Amino acid sequence: DGGITQSPKYLFRKEGQNVTLSCEQNLNHDAMYWYRQDPGQGLRLIYYSQIVNDFQKGDIAEGYSVSREKKESFPLTVTSAQKNPTAFYLCASKSRREGLDTQYFGPGTRLTVL
Amino acid sequence: AQSVTQLDSQVPVFEEAPVELRCNYSSSVSVYLFWYVQYPNQGLQLLLKYLSGSTLVKGINGFEAEFNKSQTSFHLRKPSVHISDTAEYFCAVSDRRNNAGNMLTFGGGTRLMVKP
Repeated sequence: DGGITQSPKYLFRKEGQNVTLSCEQNLNHDAMYWYRQDPGQGLRLIYYSQIVNDFQKGDIAEGYSVSREKKESFPLTVTSAQKNPTAFYLCASKSRREGLDTQYFGPGTRLTVL
Repeated sequence: AQSVTQLDSQVPVFEEAPVELRCNYSSSVSVYLFWYVQYPNQGLQLLLKYLSGSTLVKGINGFEAEFNKSQTSFHLRKPSVHISDTAEYFCAVSDRRNNAGNMLTFGGGTRLMVKP
């Protein structure tokens, strides 16, 4: 059945390491998004991509990088330049064909820096 | 640019009581409005959305919300809550314009705690 998958569910990283979070969707959605969630702050947009091979910075892109080589996949790399990476990361996607702004979310990845 | 304010960070309520979760927004352009629910350690699930038409919107799990343009509000209500409604609720808006990137702006969330 269709949906958005994120892996891993939990991820631990040592300081100074880069890590990559996976996001895959089989909904045939054109647009994909990465959000960061911290307690009491809601969700903040990191990066988004409206089509393959194109992506844009969101509100808090510093210390993160993305790629969009395939329609189904939008991996997020948390680099060592991100000063406070411990957070819950959510991926979302949206159909352009639908014409309506409804984003569907994956189950999230909880990243902890040790 | 838009901003969303959820006035209550936590709302405790007894089971079978009614509840209202408040959401106010600020925007210089017309917006779409959404409510999402998040259960512990899970992603967000869409509860309901207002795009156009009737200002009273019904969603899943017995929730409804009313869009009030003059007060720039989109409060979420349920007449009788269940223990299973315990979760975090997020209000969000997006710019209606097609070239706006379809990005969502979220409020800080309201934790609904239903007590037996």
